[in-house]
Amino acid sequence: DAKTTQPTSMDCAEGRAANLPCNHSTISGNEYVYWYRQIHSQGPQYIIHGLKNNETNEMASLIITEDRKSSTLILPHATLRDTAVYYCIVGTDTGTASKLTFGTGTRLQVTL
Amino acid sequence: DGGITQSPKYLFRKEGQNVTLSCEQNLNHDAMYWYRQDPGQGLRLIYYSQIVNDFQKGDIAEGYSVSREKKESFPLTVTSAQKNPTAFYLCASRRRRGHTGDEQFFGPGTRLTVL
Repeated sequence: DAKTTQPTSMDCAEGRAANLPCNHSTISGNEYVYWYRQIHSQGPQYIIHGLKNNETNEMASLIITEDRKSSTLILPHATLRDTAVYYCIVGTDTGTASKLTFGTGTRLQVTL
Repeated sequence: DGGITQSPKYLFRKEGQNVTLSCEQNLNHDAMYWYRQDPGQGLRLIYYSQIVNDFQKGDIAEGYSVSREKKESFPLTVTSAQKNPTAFYLCASRRRRGHTGDEQFFGPGTRLTVL
């Protein structure tokens, strides 16, 4: 699997947009970009994923660069409950059980 | 409610004892996974199963064993051969999204401490 690079930590003021970057310069053409987050001592939670196009759901937006070598997860109005570790992962949908490789992620701290 | 349950939340064992962690899902998912997480680290894949009666080793399978006799259940046994078993263990199942990627659902985890 391609590896990803994320900043170790970020801060964001409550109510502001949180923009979390991810580099995945060795991504292959059939690999998706996935984002998960993990609130302290809980299991990770799926947020969003994409292949080439930008994606939006009720939780976040995912912006993927045209060359697909990097992406940004956007939480449009961060709240204190968004404080968590955010993982950017690349993986394939091979038709069999996909394997996701979790790095150390970005620790996002949302403050008042 | 549909989801994944893991029990117990906290588990204590003496060194040298085998221990089995439970994972049950009622999401009708075929694929299930076991991960290990150490403090400040990401998740590492122990074992995964695509269908009943089939499973494959992940990146750190040594000292662990699994079974998949039912679609709903994927128990993990931490054996005495695992040299450093104290960790947070997470079970997950996968929902396919056709040809548009997939999504893993995680349980709440079991925190195992070996004394």
